[in-house]
Amino acid sequence: GIQVEQSPPDLILQEGANSTLRCNFSDSVNNLQWFHQNPWGQLINLFYIPSGTKQNGRLSATTVATERYSLLYISSSQTTDSGVYFCAVASNYQLIWGAGTKLIIKP
Amino acid sequence: GAGVSQSPSNKVTEKGKDVELRCDPISGHTALYWYRQSLGQGLEFLIYFQGNSAPDKSGLPSDRFSAERTGGSVSTLTIQRTQQEDSAVYLCASSLGLAGGYQETQYFGPGTRLLVL
Repeated sequence: GIQVEQSPPDLILQEGANSTLRCNFSDSVNNLQWFHQNPWGQLINLFYIPSGTKQNGRLSATTVATERYSLLYISSSQTTDSGVYFCAVASNYQLIWGAGTKLIIKP
Repeated sequence: GAGVSQSPSNKVTEKGKDVELRCDPISGHTALYWYRQSLGQGLEFLIYFQGNSAPDKSGLPSDRFSAERTGGSVSTLTIQRTQQEDSAVYLCASSLGLAGGYQETQYFGPGTRLLVL
């Protein structure tokens, strides 16, 4: 089945810093989503991005489907950005999830 | 409703007891998903509903797990004869269901935290 790998597994940054999170996947996909899980466990969909680039405020994402990777950019980090960032790709009826990148933003 | 809701928020049970978890999807969403998340791990797919039918039950870990959906809305996940390894957060999500479900944005509920003693 499809394998999804995320890096780095952990990231600690100072408030105001920029970061890039990476998601590699092992096969072609027609759906890739980025999620943020806050420290209280709530999962929020950030981007539905099977290809191309999207931006939403301080966050943007780029998926290069032909090279089987996606990047999530966070600019001017805030403490509220802390949590775990997951990417998930579709296979049949399932979303296959990466293990996540745990991001801690220090004030 | 405004978002996906799940109940109970927390459930503590004894090994061997049955538990029932409930999910209310966003009104109008025909696709509904159940996932399980163990501590510090990613999400594990359990089952997907399109309307009241479940095209994909492949993620259910054993025959102790079952799920149903009635009226194309509320879904219940039942775990019989719970085991300690069933302890996890059980998350429900819904989507419009227009594009094969999995190709759409999924909206998640807050989860039910299950602890089996």
